[in-house]
Amino acid sequence: QIQLVQSGAEVKKPGASVKVSCKASGYTFTSYDISWVRQAPGQGLEWMGWISAYNGDTNFAQNLQGRVTMTTDTSTSTAYMELTSLRSDDTAVYYCATGATADYWGQGTLITVSS
Amino acid sequence: DIAMTQTPLSSPVTLGQPASISCRSSQSLVHSDGNTYLSWLQQRPGQPPRLLIYKISNRFSGVPDRFSGSGAGTDFTLKISRVEAEDVGVYYCMQATQSPWTFGQGTKVEIK
Repeated sequence: QIQLVQSGAEVKKPGASVKVSCKASGYTFTSYDISWVRQAPGQGLEWMGWISAYNGDTNFAQNLQGRVTMTTDTSTSTAYMELTSLRSDDTAVYYCATGATADYWGQGTLITVSS
Repeated sequence: DIAMTQTPLSSPVTLGQPASISCRSSQSLVHSDGNTYLSWLQQRPGQPPRLLIYKISNRFSGVPDRFSGSGAGTDFTLKISRVEAEDVGVYYCMQATQSPWTFGQGTKVEIK
């Protein structure tokens, strides 16, 4: 069965960077894009962008341009999302998702930004 | 960006009774390939979102048949024929027709 397993929760200071991993299993990794979605505490869902696991093409939300990087390692079927210059309003649960339209979701990674 | 508007934002329902959630998009969700990439997600408390319905009306693998989706163009509906206790949570519509993908605000389904 298709599974996405994400890295654990982290606490970061404002201005720092964070890199979240998302390890896929149960399907051919390069068959689907990986999308990243975040959810601030008590809030709704916000799409951050996606990366093609096939050729590395990316598409990011405009409000994150310049601060977000998405990469993949096909040898380990793992996707990564790095967010730099963290601010307090980046505190959220970060999800990876795969499939034609976010069919399968990871368990989420809580990133807390606090001084 | 395509705005997605859900109504109601809260839906108290009696067990065994139906529930219905509407979602309206600010522009047509028909893609140039002819498909309409409108999905419904369920998020139970403390859980990640889970895909229920894709391309308006297709139930995802393992989703009970009490869930159904309908609509076209800019107006869409999720129906639960008979609400069960495990259906408590927040439901989101999501469009993936145009980048950036966008979500509705969420509708909280709770038991009366």
